[in-house]
Amino acid sequence: DQQVKQNSPSLSVQEGRISILNCDYTNSMFDYFLWYKKYPAEGPTFLISISSIKDKNEDGRFTVFLNKSAKHLSLHIVPSQPGDSAVYFCAAGSKAAGNKLTFGGGTRVLVKP
Amino acid sequence: DAGITQSPRYKITETGRQVTLMCHQTWSHSYMFWYRQDLGHGLRLIYYSAAADITDKGEVSDGYVVSRSKTENFPLTLESATRSQTSVYFCASSDRRAGAFYEQYFGPGTRLTVT
Repeated sequence: DQQVKQNSPSLSVQEGRISILNCDYTNSMFDYFLWYKKYPAEGPTFLISISSIKDKNEDGRFTVFLNKSAKHLSLHIVPSQPGDSAVYFCAAGSKAAGNKLTFGGGTRVLVKP
Repeated sequence: DAGITQSPRYKITETGRQVTLMCHQTWSHSYMFWYRQDLGHGLRLIYYSAAADITDKGEVSDGYVVSRSKTENFPLTLESATRSQTSVYFCASSDRRAGAFYEQYFGPGTRLTVT
């Protein structure tokens, strides 16, 4: 039973355009959501997060949107750059359960020059 | 060097052997975690630790053992390696404060192959 799902295993986008990555979750106890970026042969690196009390958080080119009623979050990257080509993981956690995270399966993004 | 390190980076072992993966962090983070990454499964939690001498099982803990005698170290041991434990293993750490949630910082990973 996957509590966090990324239904698109891959995404291809032209440089300069918007990349939209989606993530769905089932556990209503989750109150914190994060996106991680992973390059080959490296560990995941933290990108951006959002608390369940917010519906949007922005950091430069990256914006995360949270729709609690739909149990859905998305990551927007604008504009996309070739260096954004990586695997992106969404993750969810609950303060009540400590700092444990449940990860989605990842979406591989390819930004074409 | 500051940060979180893992050793070895690559390991090949035989079925039935015991193998230990090391993780060291220099931030004095309270929480430490072990994940495995497999195609189609993302990152799955094996074990975590809220502080020295406090550990708990994650989603896929069978066949693994951990210890945490010092805050900065969190070794993961495969007691009798099986082919299904071939994977990439990531260690992570995060800070801790009551009522707050902190992002986890990951090490570079250990690629383990069990033959």
